[in-house]
Amino acid sequence: GENVEQHPSTLSVQEGDSAVIKCTYSDSASNYFPWYKQELGKRPQLIIDIRSNVGEKKDQRIAVTLNKTAKHFSLHITETQPEDSAVYFCAASPSGGYQKVTFGIGTKLQVIP
Amino acid sequence: GAVVSQHPSRVICKSGTSVKIECRSLDFQATTMFWYRQFPKQSLMLMATSNEGSKATYEQGVEKDKFLINHASLTLSTLTVTSAHPEDSSFYICSASGGRPYEQYFGPGTRLTVT
Repeated sequence: GENVEQHPSTLSVQEGDSAVIKCTYSDSASNYFPWYKQELGKRPQLIIDIRSNVGEKKDQRIAVTLNKTAKHFSLHITETQPEDSAVYFCAASPSGGYQKVTFGIGTKLQVIP
Repeated sequence: GAVVSQHPSRVICKSGTSVKIECRSLDFQATTMFWYRQFPKQSLMLMATSNEGSKATYEQGVEKDKFLINHASLTLSTLTVTSAHPEDSSFYICSASGGRPYEQYFGPGTRLTVT
């Protein structure tokens, strides 16, 4: 089955700096890579996703890159703000939707004002 | 659109009793629903996948006789934790697909505490 590794497990940055979270996956059949933000006691929220037919996607301060050959994908948050503090999960799936999604262990991001 | 609700949000039960958690898609038909368990400071672990009208598919290591899943309609799936024990205390989250392609929509979760 799919195995998703994520690092770092914790990350502290100064407000305004950038944050990068990296993930690797094992199953070459995975084609959909969502990123979720989870605040304590709440549901995961999809913040950005990327499919294997593109190498990069950007949405305002958030960007995701994908290297399908190396089975790497990364989340980049620029100009971090205190409200970005949360746990971020990367995930991989053959196609999302009706198919199972395998999550990484999560990265606790702390943005220091 | 694409709202998923869960009920109850919190439940405390005594060891040995059973607890039922409901997951509903409010504004779309969910052909597939997923049940996850999340222990404190850990990731979401998939327990099972259920398709409407079919038996659920359980992940390895998840006891199907202990965690009963029913997906009887396109808007409702239930997870029943039978003979609950303290080690079953966790955050249970469902997700549903059937709206936009690719995306799964998460419910708000149910905090189960077994005393």
